[in-house]
Amino acid sequence: QPVLTQPPSVSGAPGQRVSISCTGTRSNIGATYDVHWYQQLPGAAPKLLIYDNTNRPSGVPDRFSGSKSGTSASLAITGLQAEDEADYYCQSYDSSLSDSWVFGGGTKLTVL
Amino acid sequence: QVQLQESGPGLVKPSETLSLTCSVSGGSISSGYFWSWIRQNPGKGLEWIGYIYFSGSTSYNPSLKSRVTMSLDTSKNQFSLHLTSVTAADTAVYYCARVRYNKPFDPWGQGTLVTVSS
Repeated sequence: QPVLTQPPSVSGAPGQRVSISCTGTRSNIGATYDVHWYQQLPGAAPKLLIYDNTNRPSGVPDRFSGSKSGTSASLAITGLQAEDEADYYCQSYDSSLSDSWVFGGGTKLTVL
Repeated sequence: QVQLQESGPGLVKPSETLSLTCSVSGGSISSGYFWSWIRQNPGKGLEWIGYIYFSGSTSYNPSLKSRVTMSLDTSKNQFSLHLTSVTAADTAVYYCARVRYNKPFDPWGQGTLVTVSS
């Protein structure tokens, strides 16, 4: 069972905005550990999309944004494009599991 | 920039040991990073397996701790994963990645599929 909770799927039409939530506990997100987001296209390795809650690596469009509050974080995608159809994972650090990095279960984004 | 590449057998028999190596290029494995392994069962999410620090210290996911060991070869700029007593549940794509405390995994290797089957 993943330590961080994400919705299994979200969908939206091209041009729309979607949001993916990531819920943790006081031992990970709520303990002020940062949240990071990855995009995984079919057959590919995960690609870093957002780091340290809100920052985008070079080359990631500003259509992607991240936020964090309390024990939760969110990834927002605006101006949805067909190429955004992928799996998205959140990740943080957890102090209750003896030095562990933890992931969400992943969210499948479908562009209608 | 730093690049990682996994290598190892794609097929392992049940009850045997899965061994994979990650080759690091464009940077030294002796720098201050945690060199990690992550796996993804078919159609499932990501699972952190553990890390080995450049000093040789390790930390493993409690769910796999009894079966996992990791090692470093600084002369070859490589680190390795050994998972004993494998079953079909260990069939997965295995990724190596670099991470620091409270930071994201970046970069990742391309991943290698390991199938456990007789």
